[in-house]
Amino acid sequence: QQQVKQSPQSLIVQKGGISIINCAYENTAFDYFPWYQQFPGKGPALLIAIRPDVSEKKEGRFTISFNKSAKQFSLHIMDSQPGDSATYFCAASSEANFGNEKLTFGTGTRLTIIP
Amino acid sequence: NAGVMQNPRHLVRRRGQEARLRCSPMKGHSHVYWYRQLPEEGLKFMVYLQKENIIDESGMPKERFSAEFPKEGPSILRIQQVVRGDSAAYFCASSPATYGYTFGSGTRLTVV
Repeated sequence: QQQVKQSPQSLIVQKGGISIINCAYENTAFDYFPWYQQFPGKGPALLIAIRPDVSEKKEGRFTISFNKSAKQFSLHIMDSQPGDSATYFCAASSEANFGNEKLTFGTGTRLTIIP
Repeated sequence: NAGVMQNPRHLVRRRGQEARLRCSPMKGHSHVYWYRQLPEEGLKFMVYLQKENIIDESGMPKERFSAEFPKEGPSILRIQQVVRGDSAAYFCASSPATYGYTFGSGTRLTVV
């Protein structure tokens, strides 16, 4: 019940295209859904996050779409650029953990943007 | 603000030795989380600490692993009698106790 399933495992997108990564969760207590970007040799960096009271959140070229009934959320990267090539992780957490922000991560998507 | 500092960046240990990983949280952050990332996998939660207290260690292996966050100094993740399966990247994150914490660059442990 604690799992977060992420797909695809790897993704190749042409420069200027839209990159879409999907995640699904089982635990209905999850109420915070961040996406992290990780470059080789670096730690994950928070990209964008959403709570279930909204269905979409946009920050620049990055958009999270959230479907509470289906227990799914996705990351859309518009106008994908070579600099976006990285591994992306979705994650989930529950505020019901009383200040414990431990995250359950998906298995990651390796995104490659080709010219 | 120097961010979350982890050291060493790379650590090589022979089987049976001890590994000590250090994490200095961001200034003003009193919450520390440790995660382990196996090759080609996502991060797995290990332990959550506040100053001088272990709050949640539900992700820690029952044996050989321990963590502390003393009143003064960095948080330490200690792995005793390391085995090959302990080879991984270990990440620390710190938080000011609101959502959205910051990860360090990790310690890559290799057991030979």
